Amino acid sequence: EVQLEQSGAEVKKPGESLKISCKGSGYNFRSDWIGWVRQKPGKGLEWMGIIYPGDSDTRYSPSFQGQVTISADKSISTAYLQWTGLKASDTATYYCARLVVPADIHWFDPWGQGTLVTVSS
Amino acid sequence: SYELTQPLSVSVALGQTARITCGGNNIGGKNVHWYQQKAGQAPVLVIYRDTNRPSYIPERFSGSNSGNTATLTISRAQAGDEADYHCQVWDSRTVVFGGGTKLTVL
Repeated sequence: EVQLEQSGAEVKKPGESLKISCKGSGYNFRSDWIGWVRQKPGKGLEWMGIIYPGDSDTRYSPSFQGQVTISADKSISTAYLQWTGLKASDTATYYCARLVVPADIHWFDPWGQGTLVTVSS
Repeated sequence: SYELTQPLSVSVALGQTARITCGGNNIGGKNVHWYQQKAGQAPVLVIYRDTNRPSYIPERFSGSNSGNTATLTISRAQAGDEADYHCQVWDSRTVVFGGGTKLTVL
Protein backbone atom coordinates (compact mmCIF):
# COMPACT_ATOMS: atom_id res chain seq x y z
CA GLU A 1 0.00 0.00 0.00
CA VAL A 2 1.33 3.39 -1.00
CA GLN A 3 1.49 5.71 2.01
CA LEU A 4 2.81 9.16 2.87
CA GLU A 5 3.46 9.89 6.52
CA GLN A 6 3.95 13.52 7.52
CA SER A 7 5.63 14.99 10.58
CA GLY A 8 3.59 16.33 13.45
CA ALA A 9 2.00 19.70 14.15
CA GLU A 10 4.27 22.67 14.80
CA VAL A 11 3.86 25.93 16.71
CA LYS A 12 6.40 28.58 15.83
CA LYS A 13 7.04 32.29 16.35
CA PRO A 14 7.34 34.78 13.48
CA GLY A 15 10.84 34.82 12.04
CA GLU A 16 11.68 31.28 13.10
CA SER A 17 12.77 28.53 10.74
CA LEU A 18 10.98 25.25 10.15
CA LYS A 19 11.39 22.07 8.15
CA ILE A 20 8.54 19.56 7.89
CA SER A 21 8.79 16.12 6.37
CA CYS A 22 6.89 13.56 4.31
CA LYS A 23 8.04 9.93 4.28
CA GLY A 24 6.89 7.63 1.50
CA SER A 25 6.46 3.88 1.68
CA GLY A 26 5.02 1.08 -0.43
CA TYR A 27 6.44 2.29 -3.76
CA ASN A 28 9.68 3.38 -5.44
CA PHE A 29 9.95 6.80 -3.82
CA ARG A 30 12.75 8.05 -6.08
CA SER A 31 10.72 7.41 -9.25
CA ASP A 32 7.61 9.52 -8.59
CA TRP A 33 7.17 13.26 -8.15
CA ILE A 34 6.05 14.51 -4.73
CA GLY A 35 4.05 17.70 -4.40
CA TRP A 36 3.31 20.10 -1.56
CA VAL A 37 -0.07 21.80 -1.14
CA ARG A 38 -1.09 24.54 1.30
CA GLN A 39 -4.55 24.91 2.80
CA LYS A 40 -5.26 27.92 4.97
CA PRO A 41 -8.06 27.57 7.53
CA GLY A 42 -11.42 27.43 5.77
CA LYS A 43 -9.87 27.94 2.33
CA GLY A 44 -9.10 25.92 -0.79
CA LEU A 45 -6.01 24.02 -1.93
CA GLU A 46 -2.96 25.91 -3.21
CA TRP A 47 -0.20 24.13 -5.12
CA MET A 48 3.25 25.06 -3.85
CA GLY A 49 5.64 22.93 -5.87
CA ILE A 50 6.88 19.47 -6.79
CA ILE A 51 10.12 17.55 -6.54
CA TYR A 52 11.44 14.45 -8.29
CA PRO A 53 13.42 12.64 -5.58
CA GLY A 54 15.48 10.68 -8.11
CA ASP A 55 17.44 13.75 -9.19
CA SER A 56 15.94 16.51 -6.97
CA ASP A 57 14.50 18.33 -9.98
CA THR A 58 12.21 20.90 -8.33
CA ARG A 59 9.52 23.19 -9.71
CA TYR A 60 7.75 25.91 -7.74
CA SER A 61 4.48 27.68 -8.17
CA PRO A 62 5.24 31.34 -8.95
CA SER A 63 3.28 32.21 -5.79
CA PHE A 64 5.72 30.29 -3.61
CA GLN A 65 9.03 30.68 -5.47
CA GLY A 66 11.54 32.18 -3.03
CA GLN A 67 9.20 31.76 -0.07
CA VAL A 68 9.90 28.10 0.69
CA THR A 69 12.41 25.41 -0.19
CA ILE A 70 11.43 21.91 -1.28
CA SER A 71 14.00 19.14 -0.99
CA ALA A 72 14.21 15.36 -0.75
CA ASP A 73 16.51 12.65 0.57
CA LYS A 74 15.92 9.60 -1.60
CA SER A 75 18.05 7.40 0.67
CA ILE A 76 15.38 7.63 3.37
CA SER A 77 12.35 8.16 1.07
CA THR A 78 11.58 11.55 2.59
CA ALA A 79 10.62 14.91 1.12
CA TYR A 80 10.84 18.21 2.97
CA LEU A 81 9.28 21.65 3.00
CA GLN A 82 11.33 24.39 4.63
CA TRP A 83 10.96 28.02 5.71
CA THR A 84 13.72 30.34 6.95
CA GLY A 85 11.57 33.21 8.21
CA LEU A 86 8.02 32.23 9.11
CA LYS A 87 5.20 34.75 9.04
CA ALA A 88 1.77 34.63 10.64
CA SER A 89 0.34 34.28 7.14
CA ASP A 90 2.12 30.90 6.83
CA THR A 91 -0.35 29.45 9.34
CA ALA A 92 -1.98 26.58 7.45
CA THR A 93 -2.14 22.85 6.99
CA TYR A 94 0.45 21.55 4.56
CA TYR A 95 -0.10 18.36 2.60
CA CYS A 96 2.32 16.28 0.63
CA ALA A 97 0.99 14.03 -2.13
CA ARG A 98 2.40 11.71 -4.76
CA LEU A 99 2.01 13.05 -8.27
CA VAL A 100 0.87 10.32 -10.63
CA VAL A 101 2.07 11.04 -14.17
CA PRO A 102 1.06 8.51 -16.83
CA ALA A 103 1.44 9.88 -20.38
CA ASP A 104 1.84 13.50 -19.23
CA ILE A 105 -1.42 13.49 -17.25
CA HIS A 106 -0.93 14.62 -13.66
CA TRP A 107 -2.96 13.95 -10.52
CA PHE A 108 -2.25 13.49 -6.81
CA ASP A 109 -2.70 10.12 -5.12
CA PRO A 110 -2.35 9.42 -2.28
CA TRP A 111 -2.07 12.35 0.10
CA GLY A 112 -0.31 12.58 3.42
CA GLN A 113 -2.38 13.26 6.51
CA GLY A 114 -1.30 16.90 6.65
CA THR A 115 0.91 18.95 8.98
CA LEU A 116 -0.65 21.89 10.80
CA VAL A 117 1.76 24.80 11.13
CA THR A 118 0.76 27.62 13.47
CA VAL A 119 2.80 30.81 13.50
CA SER A 120 1.99 33.14 16.36
CA SER A 121 3.81 35.47 18.69
CA SER B 1 -2.38 31.65 -15.75
CA TYR B 2 -5.17 29.13 -16.09
CA GLU B 3 -8.12 29.46 -13.72
CA LEU B 4 -10.76 27.00 -12.53
CA THR B 5 -14.10 28.21 -11.20
CA GLN B 6 -16.27 26.19 -8.81
CA PRO B 7 -19.48 27.18 -7.01
CA LEU B 8 -18.89 27.86 -3.32
CA SER B 9 -21.66 25.53 -2.25
CA VAL B 10 -24.10 22.94 -3.57
CA SER B 11 -26.98 21.37 -1.66
CA VAL B 12 -28.67 18.06 -2.40
CA ALA B 13 -31.49 16.16 -0.75
CA LEU B 14 -30.66 12.77 0.68
CA GLY B 15 -30.92 10.15 -2.05
CA GLN B 16 -30.97 12.66 -4.91
CA THR B 17 -28.29 13.56 -7.47
CA ALA B 18 -25.68 16.26 -6.86
CA ARG B 19 -23.76 17.92 -9.65
CA ILE B 20 -20.66 19.98 -8.93
CA THR B 21 -19.19 21.99 -11.78
CA CYS B 22 -15.67 23.14 -12.55
CA GLY B 23 -15.36 25.82 -15.21
CA GLY B 24 -12.33 26.73 -17.26
CA ASN B 25 -11.43 27.98 -20.73
CA ASN B 26 -11.73 24.94 -23.03
CA ILE B 27 -11.40 22.65 -20.03
CA GLY B 28 -12.77 19.90 -22.25
CA GLY B 29 -9.32 19.76 -23.81
CA LYS B 30 -7.68 19.00 -20.49
CA ASN B 31 -7.74 16.10 -18.05
CA VAL B 32 -9.72 16.94 -14.91
CA HIS B 33 -9.32 15.25 -11.54
CA TRP B 34 -11.54 15.52 -8.47
CA TYR B 35 -10.78 15.21 -4.77
CA GLN B 36 -13.13 14.78 -1.83
CA GLN B 37 -12.12 16.35 1.47
CA LYS B 38 -14.18 15.59 4.54
CA ALA B 39 -13.97 17.87 7.55
CA GLY B 40 -10.60 17.63 9.30
CA GLN B 41 -9.22 15.10 6.81
CA ALA B 42 -6.81 15.07 3.91
CA PRO B 43 -8.12 15.12 0.33
CA VAL B 44 -8.89 11.81 -1.36
CA LEU B 45 -8.93 11.20 -5.11
CA VAL B 46 -12.44 10.32 -6.33
CA ILE B 47 -12.19 10.85 -10.12
CA TYR B 48 -9.12 10.98 -12.39
CA ARG B 49 -8.80 11.67 -16.11
CA ASP B 50 -12.31 13.12 -16.32
CA THR B 51 -14.29 9.91 -15.83
CA ASN B 52 -12.22 7.26 -14.06
CA ARG B 53 -12.89 6.07 -10.50
CA PRO B 54 -10.26 4.54 -8.21
CA SER B 55 -11.32 1.06 -7.16
CA TYR B 56 -12.23 2.21 -3.64
CA ILE B 57 -14.71 4.87 -4.84
CA PRO B 58 -18.40 3.84 -5.21
CA GLU B 59 -20.01 3.76 -8.65
CA ARG B 60 -22.31 6.55 -7.47
CA PHE B 61 -19.46 8.95 -8.27
CA SER B 62 -18.97 9.84 -11.93
CA GLY B 63 -17.37 12.58 -13.97
CA SER B 64 -17.74 14.26 -17.33
CA ASN B 65 -15.88 16.98 -19.18
CA SER B 66 -16.80 18.94 -22.28
CA GLY B 67 -16.47 22.45 -23.61
CA ASN B 68 -15.86 24.87 -20.78
CA THR B 69 -17.27 22.76 -17.94
CA ALA B 70 -16.30 19.59 -16.12
CA THR B 71 -18.87 18.02 -13.82
CA LEU B 72 -18.67 15.68 -10.85
CA THR B 73 -21.95 13.82 -10.37
CA ILE B 74 -22.88 12.05 -7.16
CA SER B 75 -25.94 9.82 -7.47
CA ARG B 76 -28.11 8.72 -4.58
CA ALA B 77 -26.38 11.15 -2.27
CA GLN B 78 -25.66 9.96 1.25
CA ALA B 79 -24.92 11.85 4.44
CA GLY B 80 -21.36 10.56 4.23
CA ASP B 81 -20.85 12.39 0.92
CA GLU B 82 -20.99 15.73 2.71
CA ALA B 83 -17.56 17.24 2.09
CA ASP B 84 -15.56 19.80 0.12
CA TYR B 85 -14.85 18.81 -3.48
CA HIS B 86 -11.88 20.20 -5.42
CA CYS B 87 -11.19 19.96 -9.14
CA GLN B 88 -7.63 20.02 -10.54
CA VAL B 89 -5.88 20.19 -13.90
CA TRP B 90 -2.31 20.34 -15.17
CA ASP B 91 -1.55 23.40 -17.27
CA SER B 92 1.73 24.79 -18.57
CA ARG B 93 3.78 22.62 -16.21
CA THR B 94 1.81 23.73 -13.17
CA VAL B 95 -0.89 22.24 -10.97
CA VAL B 96 -4.12 24.25 -10.89
CA PHE B 97 -6.88 23.74 -8.32
CA GLY B 98 -10.38 25.10 -8.34
CA GLY B 99 -11.54 27.02 -5.27
CA GLY B 100 -13.49 24.06 -3.90
CA THR B 101 -17.22 23.40 -3.43
CA LYS B 102 -18.90 22.53 -0.16
CA LEU B 103 -21.53 19.84 -0.66
CA THR B 104 -24.34 19.79 1.88
CA VAL B 105 -26.67 16.79 2.05
CA LEU B 106 -30.07 17.82 3.39
